[in-house]
Amino acid sequence: GESVGLHLPTLSVQEGDNSIINCAYSNSASDYFIWYKQESGKGPQFIIDIRSNMDKRQGQRVTVLLNKTVKHLSLQIAATQPGDSAVYFCAENGGGSYIPTFGRGTSLIVHP
Amino acid sequence: ETGVTQSPTHLIKTRGQQVTLRCSSQSGHNTVSWYQQALGQGPQFIFQYYREEENGRGNFPPRFSGLQFPNYSSELNVNALELDDSALYLCASSPTGNSYEQYFGPGTRLTVT
Repeated sequence: GESVGLHLPTLSVQEGDNSIINCAYSNSASDYFIWYKQESGKGPQFIIDIRSNMDKRQGQRVTVLLNKTVKHLSLQIAATQPGDSAVYFCAENGGGSYIPTFGRGTSLIVHP
Repeated sequence: ETGVTQSPTHLIKTRGQQVTLRCSSQSGHNTVSWYQQALGQGPQFIFQYYREEENGRGNFPPRFSGLQFPNYSSELNVNALELDDSALYLCASSPTGNSYEQYFGPGTRLTVT
């Protein structure tokens, strides 16, 4: 069936580096995408979203890029900090659904 | 503004038993969704309640059931527990049933032995 997945399960970076977390999706009907951050012992926390009529959206230190041609989503974190260490999930709300379908997640480890 | 709260934090049950998990939605939100998150996986949608009625269900068996109360708090009930039910159970509240916004609670860690 349709699914959302991530290329890399773990990403290790140095403090101050830029981080890029990638996500592939297969549901061509998906029209809304979200990135969540989940810290240990906590529920997922919304970071940034993007609709399918956009290819880039920027927030504070974060940028989401959407490439609909290859069904690829990425999250860029600028000047990564130790507090950014967490598991990051991309999620899609395909075909008008308001329920997000989550991928497996990428663990980001930031070394001071 | 009070965020989403869940109770208990941790729970250990034996296979075959029944469990009830509780969730209080964020102030002003009338929609609650429940998710199951196995270790190392993303959350999987169980069901959603909107104004005390089930408003969508994922691929979970009928032994997973729920309730929503007039104050919009919610319960998740799981009967005949199986070992594979061990997971983090997350509750998320939304302002309405047709909103992309989901605010997650910290979850309840259920261990079935």
